[in-house]
Amino acid sequence: NAGVTQTPKFRVLKTGQSMTLLCAQDMNHEYMYWYRQDPGMGLRLIHYSVGEGTTAKGEVPDGYNVSRLKKQNFLLGLESAAPSQTSVYFCASSGQIIYRGHPYEQYFGPGTRLTVT
Amino acid sequence: AQSVTQLGSHVSVSEGALVLLRCNYSSSVPPYLFWYVQYPNQGLQLLLKYTTGATLVKGINGFEAEFKKSETSFHLTKPSAHMSDAAEYFCAAGGTSYGKLTFGQGTILTVHP
Repeated sequence: NAGVTQTPKFRVLKTGQSMTLLCAQDMNHEYMYWYRQDPGMGLRLIHYSVGEGTTAKGEVPDGYNVSRLKKQNFLLGLESAAPSQTSVYFCASSGQIIYRGHPYEQYFGPGTRLTVT
Repeated sequence: AQSVTQLGSHVSVSEGALVLLRCNYSSSVPPYLFWYVQYPNQGLQLLLKYTTGATLVKGINGFEAEFKKSETSFHLTKPSAHMSDAAEYFCAAGGTSYGKLTFGQGTILTVHP
């Protein structure tokens, strides 16, 4: 049981290049999330998905696209990378949101450190 | 809009001393509240969560947090710090709208021998 995995772990891009970050979970979770972490700003939600084939915008969606073609995978794409997208990206997943009044936790992957020069 | 504020971006304590990390949230209705820990170069791991009922919540590694509605606070404490507690700690609120969470800015805890 690997939990949540992210590929790649590190990447350096030049401005204008594109790339896709892959998140995979083996817990059969319905909900998946992409966050970015920047110093002093905590984690901010980029996009999320409430099930296979669905996606929705989070707090900071501009410059990113996502797809959830399979339940276990959630892809984050950067079509034309900018230096402002230099960050650490985390994927998370959650089974149910609330069960008998108790919220489920989100399980996080190890992160992808992206540098855009 | 909901917001979460963590007072103090850096907290430094001696080994064996009390750890107190502060978190305040803004909301007219108390949300679900969480504390996560992030060790260097790792993802976030849940320490504890507040749902409803008991206001003192116990988590892993000896940490606990007290929900105070009147102060809109959810401070994290540990009676005696250990070197292995050195990490960054995040307070988060939400969970009712598609599980979305709002995170605080994070507090880096340093533990000195």
